[in-house]
Amino acid sequence: AQTVTQSQPEMSVQEAETVTLSCTYDTSESDYYLFWYKQPPSRQMILVIRQEAYKQQNATENRFSVNFQKAAKSFSLKISDSQLGDAAMYFCAYRSPGTYKYIFGTGTRLKVLA
Amino acid sequence: SQTIHQWPATLVQPVGSPLSLECTVEGTSNPNLYWYRQAAGRGLQLLFYSVGIGQISSEVPQNLSASRPQDRQFILSSKKLLLSDSGFYLCAWSIPGQGGEQYFGPGTRLTVT
Repeated sequence: AQTVTQSQPEMSVQEAETVTLSCTYDTSESDYYLFWYKQPPSRQMILVIRQEAYKQQNATENRFSVNFQKAAKSFSLKISDSQLGDAAMYFCAYRSPGTYKYIFGTGTRLKVLA
Repeated sequence: SQTIHQWPATLVQPVGSPLSLECTVEGTSNPNLYWYRQAAGRGLQLLFYSVGIGQISSEVPQNLSASRPQDRQFILSSKKLLLSDSGFYLCAWSIPGQGGEQYFGPGTRLTVT
């Protein structure tokens, strides 16, 4: 069965600095999808970025980018120019195209220091 | 555009009372629908998912049940709440097919007293 691991329960970053959140996963499949979700204090989950495994190019969305290392089964999220509004829980998620289920990591709480 | 609604936003219920949480999606047809529970400071636990009307898959044996009476309506129920049912409940939907991301509702905070 697939698993998703986020080994950093909490991270801190100074405002305007860059931070990288780690995510590793375990799968025997070659095709799959990976996501990063943000959960602010309001607790509504917001999609940050998505990556298809068959694409070698790393996905980017404005200040958010990923470092996707398929062989290492690593999917880290880089937040550049961190802002106070980036403070939230961040969840990494995996989806196999053959199922309807999404597998979530345990989350990383990001604190942004002014 | 698509939107997802959940209600109520907050609920306080005594042990042994029934529960009904509702989720509706607008702007799409035949979505995949999901119910998750999140304990305080924890990750998401998938409870149920549905790929069509009347089609419910249960992930965790528990005191809860789910129903999908209409294409875009997903209901989470319990006949008798337990203290352990307290948590934050999230409904989500995704587009059928490969690779679709999930979109989440605002959630319901349930406290069982």
